[in-house]
Amino acid sequence: SQTIHQWPATLVQPVGSPLSLECTVEGTSNPNLYWYRQAAGRGLQLLFYSVGIGQISSEVPQNLSASRPQDRQFILSSKKLLLSDSGFYLCACGQSSNQPQHFGDGTRLSIL
Amino acid sequence: QKEVEQDPGPLSVPEGAIVSLNCTYSNSAFQYFMWYRQYSRKGPELLMYTYSSGNKEDGRFTAQVDKSSKYISLFIRDSQPSDSATYLCAMRHTGTASKLTFGTGTRLQVTL
Repeated sequence: SQTIHQWPATLVQPVGSPLSLECTVEGTSNPNLYWYRQAAGRGLQLLFYSVGIGQISSEVPQNLSASRPQDRQFILSSKKLLLSDSGFYLCACGQSSNQPQHFGDGTRLSIL
Repeated sequence: QKEVEQDPGPLSVPEGAIVSLNCTYSNSAFQYFMWYRQYSRKGPELLMYTYSSGNKEDGRFTAQVDKSSKYISLFIRDSQPSDSATYLCAMRHTGTASKLTFGTGTRLQVTL
């Protein structure tokens, strides 16, 4: 079965600083990969998804970007963080259109 | 109107009770339905995955889908304190990226 690794678990960053969150997947190949943000009382918001290396689709305009340099690696980045970027960021993996998504344990990002 | 509506709770029940969690949706194109359990500061964990209308049982958990009413439910029998968590419903229509639409989650507390 697949395992999703996310790090760091917690991150505190100043406004205007850069960001790089990494997600790696084990136990599967050529997965669909997803970045979500979860805000209290608002459920999960899909930010980006990728169906293959170098293929990124953005769901909402924002201060963030994503990249997929390898089959099982998905990176979420920002050049300059805003206060509104605070939240719980989750990486998810889905093997095909008939399979459900599985999640990592997330990164809690606080912007000061 | 949100595509998926879920009562946020909190829902408090005594140990051993039967719990009913529900979601309604408006998009008739949704074909796949999921329930996730999320403990505090953790990623969502897949509990149930269903496609067709009807019931699916797994141990103490039963998922029910009524596509004609656009209504899904999760029943937990003999609830335990370890069931205390936030329960998220999610759904999607067919497509290559398998993007999910989530409810906002229901917080459940099972008391001794």
